[in-house]
Amino acid sequence: GQQVMQIPQYQHVQEGEDFTTYCNSSTTLSNIQWYKQRPGGHPVFLIQLVKSGEVKKQKRLTFQFGEAKKNSSLHITATQTTDVGTYFCAGIIHGSSNTGKLIFGQGTTLQVKP
Amino acid sequence: GAVVSQHPSWVICKSGTSVKIECRSLDFQATTMFWYRQFPKQSLMLMATSNEGSKATYEQGVEKDKFLINHASLTLSTLTVTSAHPEDSSFYICSASSGSTNEKLFFGSGTQLSVL
Repeated sequence: GQQVMQIPQYQHVQEGEDFTTYCNSSTTLSNIQWYKQRPGGHPVFLIQLVKSGEVKKQKRLTFQFGEAKKNSSLHITATQTTDVGTYFCAGIIHGSSNTGKLIFGQGTTLQVKP
Repeated sequence: GAVVSQHPSWVICKSGTSVKIECRSLDFQATTMFWYRQFPKQSLMLMATSNEGSKATYEQGVEKDKFLINHASLTLSTLTVTSAHPEDSSFYICSASSGSTNEKLFFGSGTQLSVL
């Protein structure tokens, strides 16, 4: 079936190091969204990418959407302890008639050692 | 940003009882709401899509008679776990969309269900 794969599953970094999580879809996506879930919390929307090859930045976070609209990445520069949490990518399959039906990746859990 | 309220935050119940979870969009009309289930350290598994005024669309493998969904208004959807069993213990979370294409989702705070 349609899947969104996300790697790595876990990542432990030292505070100040960079972090990247990757998301790959088996089919073309209309858009891709990224969410962050803090331990014990609920997912919170970070950003949405729509255009092929799109790059967006939010302070230390850089989001990319691949040219083929099948992959995406989130890169955090100089991680801080506040970056701890699980980052999910979620995409809407191109041509899907079910508005808002996102397919979630498995998530990458980031741990930051101070 | 938009707010989605989910209640209760946690519930403990005896096996065989039914539990109702409410999901409300507080400051926008949610044409579509989604119900997810999340096991510890795992991703969100979509259970069903709830559209106001019509029957919910369930994902493959989700028992519609077990997980009753009602979306009676543009601001409220409910999930009822009927005759709950210990294996139904999980974190249930709703999200809402206003229905526009490419619309981001707003999530409720989730409900931790523990069935004894």
